[in-house]
Amino acid sequence: AQSVTQLDSQVPVFEEAPVELRCNYSSSVSVYLFWYVQYPNQGLQLLLKYLSGSTLVKGINGFEAEFNKSQTSFHLRKPSVHISDTAEYFCAVCHQAGTALIFGKGTTLSVSS
Amino acid sequence: DVKVTQSSRYLVKRTGEKVFLECVQDMDHENMFWYRQDPGLGLRLIYFSYDVKMKEKGDIPEGYSVSREKKERFSLILESASTNQTSMYLCASSSPLRWGEQYFGPGTRLTVT
Repeated sequence: AQSVTQLDSQVPVFEEAPVELRCNYSSSVSVYLFWYVQYPNQGLQLLLKYLSGSTLVKGINGFEAEFNKSQTSFHLRKPSVHISDTAEYFCAVCHQAGTALIFGKGTTLSVSS
Repeated sequence: DVKVTQSSRYLVKRTGEKVFLECVQDMDHENMFWYRQDPGLGLRLIYFSYDVKMKEKGDIPEGYSVSREKKERFSLILESASTNQTSMYLCASSSPLRWGEQYFGPGTRLTVT
C-alpha cells in the first residue's frame, strides 16, 4: 500500500531564508508525485508535479522539488521565502492514472519578518 | 477562470439531521472527489466519481453517501449527522487526461452540534 510521510508538521522561517519541506513516500511501483498548497481560508491548488523525465521539477511561485527514487523522497524547496508563502503544503502520490491521490498530513510553513 | 464552487462556506447542523453538501465544477471534468480535512490528519478521501451515476468508495465512506446525476455536480450526503463529522469538507475535480491535477473548491466548514 502507498503512503506519504511529511516529516515536519510545522516549519517556521524568516523572510528571505531558504526552506525545504520534506516528503517521503512508500510504494513498490512507479509513482506520480505532487505538491499542493493551501493558503488560509482557501482550497488547495497544485504547486508542481512529477510524472516522468527530469527529476528536478519547477513549479509556481519559485518553488521546486527533486524526485529521488533511491531515497523515495520528493522534497520541496525555495531559495528565498516571502511572507505570502505562509500556507499549508501537502505532498501527494498516486501510482498510476486512474487511482486516487494519497495525501500526506501537511506541513504548515510560517514565514515571519 | 476555472472554478469549483461549493454551496456553503460555513454550515451548522444538529445531530441526526440529513445534510447535503453540493459541489459544482465548470471545467467539464469527468472526475470528482470529496475529501474531509482535519488538523493533523491531512486530507482523507470519502468518495469519488469517474462519471455520471458512478461512484467509488474512498478511505472513509462510513456515514456518507454521494450522488452524481449530472456531470458538473457532485453531492455529498450525511444521512444522519453526528458530532464526529464536524470537519472541513473539500470538493475537487480533474480530467482523466491530467490525472492527479485536481482543482479544489474553497471548502465547507461543517459544525454538527
